[in-house]
Amino acid sequence: QQPVQSPQAVILREGEDAVINCSSSKALYSVHWYRQKHGEAPVFLMILLKGGEQKGHEKISASFNEKKQQSSLYLTASQLSYSGTYFCGTEPAGGNQGGKLIFGQGTELSVKP
Amino acid sequence: DAMVIQNPRYQVTQFGKPVTLSCSQTLNHNVMYWYQQKSSQAPKLLFHYYDKDFNNEADTPDNFQSRRPNTSFCFLDIRSPGLGDAAMYLCATSRDRIETQYFGPGTRLLVL
Repeated sequence: QQPVQSPQAVILREGEDAVINCSSSKALYSVHWYRQKHGEAPVFLMILLKGGEQKGHEKISASFNEKKQQSSLYLTASQLSYSGTYFCGTEPAGGNQGGKLIFGQGTELSVKP
Repeated sequence: DAMVIQNPRYQVTQFGKPVTLSCSQTLNHNVMYWYQQKSSQAPKLLFHYYDKDFNNEADTPDNFQSRRPNTSFCFLDIRSPGLGDAAMYLCATSRDRIETQYFGPGTRLLVL
């Protein structure tokens, strides 16, 4: 089952903050976050493996609530370069899933000057 | 330094004419994936190889086949492309399962 991302789209002014949510109806083993610019390949941002885990990368961080089967991506003090479509990729818990990811539908983020 | 390379970047084919897309990697990763991504949609996994072990997704059409002759190369064969197969095809690799997937630049396929 495809995870659900919210919001579908968000427009920010440079320097503003944003939160993108990813929610699954299935128990999750891991959540991966990617950013994709138009016409380019997805670029890895971070992976969260454990319930309650939080990670940060400069001004982009994420959390993973295993019990709620949810992950959130936090972008602070957004920059123009943050524009793109953000995808969460989820790996279901249990069994040998082979590391395959099911991607959410994406959240389009636009940062304006 | 390119790590995951896809050729060609753009491919135009005719309806029903077989086409092969290629992917190569310099990372020596065990796992290679093929995704299909249509406009404004999420990447959709078609199949993946864990070393030589082939794993097909249940809803991948029979029209799509894959080969992995060695660790570095993986091919996607579309035997009889239809108009609905026009998409971006992304190759990705990971060192092992449940690890970061590194994507190639993609091949955009157009079917006339």
